[in-house]
Amino acid sequence: AQSVTQPDIHITVSEGASLELRCNYSYGATPYLFWYVQSPGQGLQLLLKYFSGDTLVQGIKGFEAEFKRSQSSFNLRKPSVHWSDAAEYFCAVGESGDDKIIFGKGTRLHILP
Amino acid sequence: DTGVSQDPRHKITKRGQNVTFRCDPISEHNRLYWYRQTLGQGPEFLTYFQNEAQLEKSRLLSDRFSAERPKGSFSTLEIQRTEQGDSAMYLCASTPAGGYRDGYTFGSGTRLTVV
Repeated sequence: AQSVTQPDIHITVSEGASLELRCNYSYGATPYLFWYVQSPGQGLQLLLKYFSGDTLVQGIKGFEAEFKRSQSSFNLRKPSVHWSDAAEYFCAVGESGDDKIIFGKGTRLHILP
Repeated sequence: DTGVSQDPRHKITKRGQNVTFRCDPISEHNRLYWYRQTLGQGPEFLTYFQNEAQLEKSRLLSDRFSAERPKGSFSTLEIQRTEQGDSAMYLCASTPAGGYRDGYTFGSGTRLTVV
């Protein structure tokens, strides 16, 4: 069965610093990988997705993620965070042949001024 | 297109009462999903529709829960005899016919509090 693990419940970084949020997954076949962001009181917004091809994918708001099959990871990165990036971030996985995606428990990002 | 709309945004109900939530997906989207999100957790899949057909239900969807999507447009999620454990954010998402591969478009959710 698919599963998604986000090891960090909370991450705090200073504004302007770089960011990496970790995501590990297990899957039975070809994974479809996603990162979503949820701001307080809002629904989830898709940041980026990976299906195949180039393992480094670019998303919105300056985010990128790298798929590493050998490590079963899909970590999210941003070179310089802004105060507006404070939110909860969810990694998610779908499997070819399945019709839904499974979410991790999320990482809450706090930004220090 | 105004995106995915959910109504109400907040609902407070007494234990044992019935509640119904509504979701209006993006008009050209064939698939509609319901997820539940509790504090400190990621969204958990409940059920999904392809047009008016309910194609999959999670084990989380007990017999007190029922979802419909008449005419393949809006959907309703009803919870009968609510329990405190039903307190959560209920999220609706829609996608085109190809499914989640292009990513879900989520609504802002309905927050249910059972007192």
